[in-house]
Amino acid sequence: NAGVTQTPKFQVLKTGQSMTLQCAQDMNHEYMSWYRQDPGMGLRLIHYSVGAGITDQGEVPNGYNVSRSTTEDFPLRLLSAAPSQTSVYFCASSWNRDSFSLSGNTIYFGEGSWLTVV
Amino acid sequence: GQQVMQIPQYQHVQEGEDFTTYCNSSTTLSNIQWYKQRPGGHPVFLIQLVKSGEVKKQKRLTFQFGEAKKNSSLHITATQTTDVGTYFCAVPRSYNTDKLIFGTGTRLQVFP
Repeated sequence: NAGVTQTPKFQVLKTGQSMTLQCAQDMNHEYMSWYRQDPGMGLRLIHYSVGAGITDQGEVPNGYNVSRSTTEDFPLRLLSAAPSQTSVYFCASSWNRDSFSLSGNTIYFGEGSWLTVV
Repeated sequence: GQQVMQIPQYQHVQEGEDFTTYCNSSTTLSNIQWYKQRPGGHPVFLIQLVKSGEVKKQKRLTFQFGEAKKNSSLHITATQTTDVGTYFCAVPRSYNTDKLIFGTGTRLQVFP
């Protein structure tokens, strides 16, 4: 079972370049999300999706686009990279339940993508 | 919106000493989750707490949910070098939703 797979693991971009971080999960999870992690800032939600064809903004969406054409895939696009987007990016997935569940809704993370914008 | 504070930001301990991290919310929580991230790794789910005053144990780790369901703690007894990493709490963005926000984390360093 691969779980959550994200690529690339490392990337260096020049300011103004565009790129896509790929994310795929094989657990048939409805809910997928992208976080960025910066020193001392914890994990901040960029965008999320509750199912194919549905996306929404998180806490820090500016400069990023997402789409969800299939249940499995949730790519993150940087349209014009800026140095402020230098960060570690994590894709995550989980079951989506609107109501409180005693069994929990564990988030499974990918291994991360280290992005540097110069 | 929901805010969650986690303290301390860093903790250095000698191997064998105890360690505690605290997570505090401005609002009542339906549940709280704890994650561990090893250096260079990704966050991994540890546990979820649901009930007021709940206490759960995993070997040397003890997790507690406050009576008012606004705070939680993670206590490690007799730390080992394998406990090194950053511990995050995660809480629902609003009551009774599965969409989580994460605390800023506590980075634990254990010296042998």
